[in-house]
Amino acid sequence: EAGVAQSPRYKIIEKRQSVAFWCNPISGHATLYWYQQILGQGPKLLIQFQNNGVVDDSQLPKDRFSAERLKGVDSTLKIQPAKLEDSAVYLCASSINRDPTYEQYFGPGTRLTVT
Amino acid sequence: AQTVTQSQPEMSVQEAETVTLSCTYDTSESDYYLFWYKQPPSRQMILVIRQEAYKQQNATENRFSVNFQKAAKSFSLKISDSQLGDAAMYFCAYRSADSNYQLIWGAGTKLIIKP
Repeated sequence: EAGVAQSPRYKIIEKRQSVAFWCNPISGHATLYWYQQILGQGPKLLIQFQNNGVVDDSQLPKDRFSAERLKGVDSTLKIQPAKLEDSAVYLCASSINRDPTYEQYFGPGTRLTVT
Repeated sequence: AQTVTQSQPEMSVQEAETVTLSCTYDTSESDYYLFWYKQPPSRQMILVIRQEAYKQQNATENRFSVNFQKAAKSFSLKISDSQLGDAAMYFCAYRSADSNYQLIWGAGTKLIIKP
């Protein structure tokens, strides 16, 4: 079974530029999560999708971050414009559904550096 | 709000010996799940072990076991016969069994294995 795929693996941009990250979850997984992991910290949930609907985006900075999962499969997370404090690893995860008995599987992450 | 605390930023252990990583959490809920995740330097987060709060028996997975003390709100991870491949960041996480399905993460413990 293929795992969660993410691209790019690394991205360096200047502040005020825009950037987009892509995630392809495990086939058949209805729930998709985007996390932000700042160096030295645990992940922080940005947004959770159930199929193509948003379940929780309470911690997403909506003035600059946006995410979509149009066909209920792959997803894109965008930052526009980027700030220095957005430097982090962005992790995508998926699970069969929202029930906590189902494991979340993580992708390798995208390391973003904002200069 | 629930919180998860990992008080050991870094731990080291001699190869083949046993090490225990600590985790405490705060919650007013009675039904929840606790997790230990491993994040090797490649950054892909992997589930190590899971404990359901309603189960009194401590979970075990091969060389990994937990000491779950519900009254004390403590959830430590014991790694027996440590191997070089165990070197990683270890994160403790909490998830409600009720309506809030978000994973709450600790800050992590870096485990160093000495050959």
